[in-house]
Amino acid sequence: DTGVSQDPRHKITKRGQNVTFRCDPISEHNRLYWYRQTLGQGPEFLTYFQNEAQLEKSRLLSDRFSAERPKGSFSTLEIQRTEQGDSAMYLCASSPLTNTEAFFGQGTRLTVV
Amino acid sequence: AQTVTQSQPEMSVQEAETVTLSCTYDTSESDYYLFWYKQPPSRQMILVIRQEAYKQQNATENRFSVNFQKAAKSFSLKISDSQLGDAAMYFCAYRSETNQGGKLIFGQGTELSVKP
Repeated sequence: DTGVSQDPRHKITKRGQNVTFRCDPISEHNRLYWYRQTLGQGPEFLTYFQNEAQLEKSRLLSDRFSAERPKGSFSTLEIQRTEQGDSAMYLCASSPLTNTEAFFGQGTRLTVV
Repeated sequence: AQTVTQSQPEMSVQEAETVTLSCTYDTSESDYYLFWYKQPPSRQMILVIRQEAYKQQNATENRFSVNFQKAAKSFSLKISDSQLGDAAMYFCAYRSETNQGGKLIFGQGTELSVKP
């Protein structure tokens, strides 16, 4: 197992288009988190899953954002009708239930033009 | 709501010297975890060190140690014998013990440069 994997690494899209990102967590990690990081800032929590259940969503997660984790394995984050303000690094992290350490992926950098 | 503040946007240290990065946080909880994460350029964030709030002893990991002052809500990171590979963004983060979800609340980050 090579760690948390995110795809794509970079995405450039036109305003108004939909985009989808994928995260593959470390095998058997029950918890999966999505964060957003803008330039010069720390990551901000968006949402988290425990197995397939989405248990918490931040107020940052507008109606245009949706996340899924079917079967409790990989997760997808979709942004509909992208806006320039959505430009950011989207980070995924996973952790086992019994460990406080979160393992991060390299992120997907989204640029909305 | 909990907040984490890093008041040093940038820090610089000479190779082999020691540097301290500052972090303060605000919470009304008594049980929580504090972390320092390192984010090298274009690479993923990795955990540097972790501190449980109930432990009075400061955590240490090789060249990295913390000064945890619970009453003052301060959590600084000391890097000894700095190496070129230590250059990165460093983030202080808070995790509630009572919030079973385990989400992290991050500070704004400190960019550390190491001069040869």
